[in-house]
This record gives sequence, structure tokens and C-alpha cells, in this order.
Amino acid sequence: NAGVTQTPKFQVLKTGQSMTLQCAQDMNHNSMYWYRQDPGMGLRLIYYSASEGTTDKGEVPNGYNVSRLNKREFSLRLESAAPSQTSVYFCASKIGTTDGNTIYFGEGSWLTVV
Amino acid sequence: AQKITQTQPGMFVQEKEAVTLDCTYDTSDQSYGLFWYKQPSSGEMIFLIYQGSYDEQNATEGRYSLNFQKARKSANLVISASQLGDSAMYFCAMTRSARQLTFGSGTQLTVLP
Repeated sequence: NAGVTQTPKFQVLKTGQSMTLQCAQDMNHNSMYWYRQDPGMGLRLIYYSASEGTTDKGEVPNGYNVSRLNKREFSLRLESAAPSQTSVYFCASKIGTTDGNTIYFGEGSWLTVV
Repeated sequence: AQKITQTQPGMFVQEKEAVTLDCTYDTSDQSYGLFWYKQPSSGEMIFLIYQGSYDEQNATEGRYSLNFQKARKSANLVISASQLGDSAMYFCAMTRSARQLTFGSGTQLTVLP
């Protein structure tokens, strides 16, 4: 039961470095999401992709880019990392676009920018 | 815009007792969905329960039930017979047209032996 798989799980970056967080789901879901979670806070949506080939900005998109490579994969890129991007990142997916579909989350990626 | 409010940053409950975690929401939409997620200290997000805005009955999943009061815009989570393993952060969330899932700030539940 792989579900939603994120890599890497832990990463330390220097300010200004770039990196890509990878996410893949094996549930044939159409919609995929990237969230960030800061200490003591709920999750905030960075970007989402309602279907293959489409991406849209969420609540906090600045400093990030995304690619929906195919139906399975949705990557999040930090072009020039900043300490404010230190956070836990969650990838998620759901099968469709109706309210009732359960969203499945990956296990999270802990990113520290020094 | 959607907004989810969880007013209890932390809650304590005795093992085997029931506990209610509060959640209120603000939306002008008629069709929306409400979710509760559990986040243990290990960090993963675990889906608990879902309530649709048009569902007439309150959702239940095992020891979890959702007390949905549409007119008051509240969607409280009730956990019956608390267990030590229930200690975790709990998030209320809302979605509309599945485009976005908006989360509250969470409630840290601690179950005492």
C-alpha cells in the first residue's frame, strides 16, 4: 500500500540553493496538492493540480514552482531557498473534484533552510 | 473566502472518557465538505471522518462522530471512549469543489491514563 510517496523525507539547504521535492501516487488520482505546515499551524496550500496538465496557485505560492509531470507525479521546486521556507511539506492527492472525495497525504518532507 | 476556526489549542481528557473538539467554519457556499484529520507526533496526516453539507445525518466512523450543526456553522468532532493512542493534533478542514482544502490551526489532544 504505497499511497502517496514523498522524497526526500529530510533535507537541509543553504540559503539560495535550489531543490525539488518529489511526490508520486499510485491510486490513479486526478487531483494533487502541495501543502506546507509551520510549527503550531494548520496546513496551507501552496499549489494544486486538478488534473494532469493543469496547475493552480494556492494560498502561499511565492517562492515555489510546480510540475505535474504525469498523472502520478507532482513535483515542488524551490528555486532559491530562503529561511522562511523552513517547514514541513505535505503532498496529497484525491481521486476527483467532488467534495466527498477523501484526500490522502504523504508522510511529509522536513525541510530546513539555513 | 473560506475560513476554519479551532478555538481550543490544547485539550486534556481522561482515558475512556469522551471528548469534543470544536470547529466552526465560515463560507457563503451551499455545497461544501468538512473533514477531520489526525496528526500524531510522527507527522503523518490520517483521515478520520467526512461530512457533506447536504448530508442530513451526522457522520460516524467507529469511535468518531461529527456533530454537524449547519445553521451554526459548526462541525465538532466527538471521540468516544478515548484511548492513549488518540493523543495527537487534530485538524478540521473544509473543501469546496475540491479545489482547495482549507485547514484550521489544530487542537492538541492529550489523553491522560
